[in-house]
Amino acid sequence: DGGITQSPKYLFRKEGQNVTLSCEQNLNHDAMYWYRQDPGQGLRLIYYSQIVNDFQKGDIAEGYSVSREKKESFPLTVTSAQKNPTAFYLCASSIGKKIYNEQFFGPGTRLTVL
Amino acid sequence: SQQGEEDPQALSIQEGENATMNCSYKTSINNLQWYRQNSGRGLVHLILIRSNEREKHSGRLRVTLDTSKKSSSLLITASRAADTASYFCATGNSGAGSYQLTFGKGTKLSVIP
Repeated sequence: DGGITQSPKYLFRKEGQNVTLSCEQNLNHDAMYWYRQDPGQGLRLIYYSQIVNDFQKGDIAEGYSVSREKKESFPLTVTSAQKNPTAFYLCASSIGKKIYNEQFFGPGTRLTVL
Repeated sequence: SQQGEEDPQALSIQEGENATMNCSYKTSINNLQWYRQNSGRGLVHLILIRSNEREKHSGRLRVTLDTSKKSSSLLITASRAADTASYFCATGNSGAGSYQLTFGKGTKLSVIP
């Protein structure tokens, strides 16, 4: 059963804590992405990776960090430096390295800062 | 930066009617894509139209692209209650040094049974 999985579905964080969101894909896609979605808004790109051990900042990378040690995995860490982290986080992947290709999305993680 | 702007922001129709959503953008594109999002879920890709195409069909979906007006429309024919969702356009841009897929804010469609 191919696809993208994200965990956890809901995450609660206290102010000042770092948290890591998991994203795994078994589609053998080269490229992976992290987006943030706020209520009533579109998606904004946080980070993307076109190949293992390489990643690029998106439009809103401040306060976030990522790693791409394996092709299947692209975890996102929300650090304490992110001023307003409460949001819905979506991971996606696409075949090939051109990030304007069709993207496949995971189910999302809803992060709430208490 | 968000390039695509959908119109209207919200649309409510009766089951069986057609739904039309529009998307406008500002810079040249490689392709334009439409995605669907059910409440609280991930996005699902619906259709991709390249900059050299004018119209594309997929089942009950029809997408048009007018690059001279920098606009696209998504038509859903014979709508069903299950079509209730938010619909986003995303532009694939390939300017120098930029390979971005940029999403609009979406149109929220409600189909009343």
